[in-house]
Amino acid sequence: NAGVTQTPKFQVLKTGQSMTLQCAQDMNHNSMYWYRQDPGMGLRLIYYSASEGTTDKGEVPNGYNVSRLNKREFSLRLESAAPSQTSVYFCASIVERNTEAFFGQGTRLTVV
Amino acid sequence: GESVGLHLPTLSVQEGDNSIINCAYSNSASDYFIWYKQESGKGPQFIIDIRSNMDKRQGQRVTVLLNKTVKHLSLQIAATQPGDSAVYFCAENIMGYSTLTFGKGTMLLVSP
Repeated sequence: NAGVTQTPKFQVLKTGQSMTLQCAQDMNHNSMYWYRQDPGMGLRLIYYSASEGTTDKGEVPNGYNVSRLNKREFSLRLESAAPSQTSVYFCASIVERNTEAFFGQGTRLTVV
Repeated sequence: GESVGLHLPTLSVQEGDNSIINCAYSNSASDYFIWYKQESGKGPQFIIDIRSNMDKRQGQRVTVLLNKTVKHLSLQIAATQPGDSAVYFCAENIMGYSTLTFGKGTMLLVSP
């Protein structure tokens, strides 16, 4: 049982480049989330998908777009990367509200 | 990974001591709380959760206490071991919302 799988694990981008971070879960969870983690800042919510077919902005959505491709997959896209988007990105999923969120191993992104 | 710990409050204990990590939350409408452990280079891992209709919940070597009057949450770790060294995050679920809001974290350092 793989849980939540993120790809890639590491990425270096030049300013202005675009890329998509992939996330897939095999637990049949309804809700999926993208967080970013910066030193001393905890995890901040970028976007989430409460159920298949819906997406909503979180605390820090600017510069990002998301796609809930199906129940399993939730991708995060950076259309024009900026140095301020250098961070560690985590995908998470939950089966329903008020239950634990399962996290992937993270994608460490550096924008130069 | 290791950069997560920059500028975080740090608790240093000796192996075998009991550890108490505290968390203040701000929203009185929060009805679910959860503690995560994050080791260097990994995603957050679930430790224990508690719902707002409870004051205390125990797991294996861990206890979570909830004081709704002062909006305070604590995680107690009994007989702390070097493997407990990590960053610990509390998170809350505000009633009516399907997202978890995370605190900034506390680094626990356990010396042999």
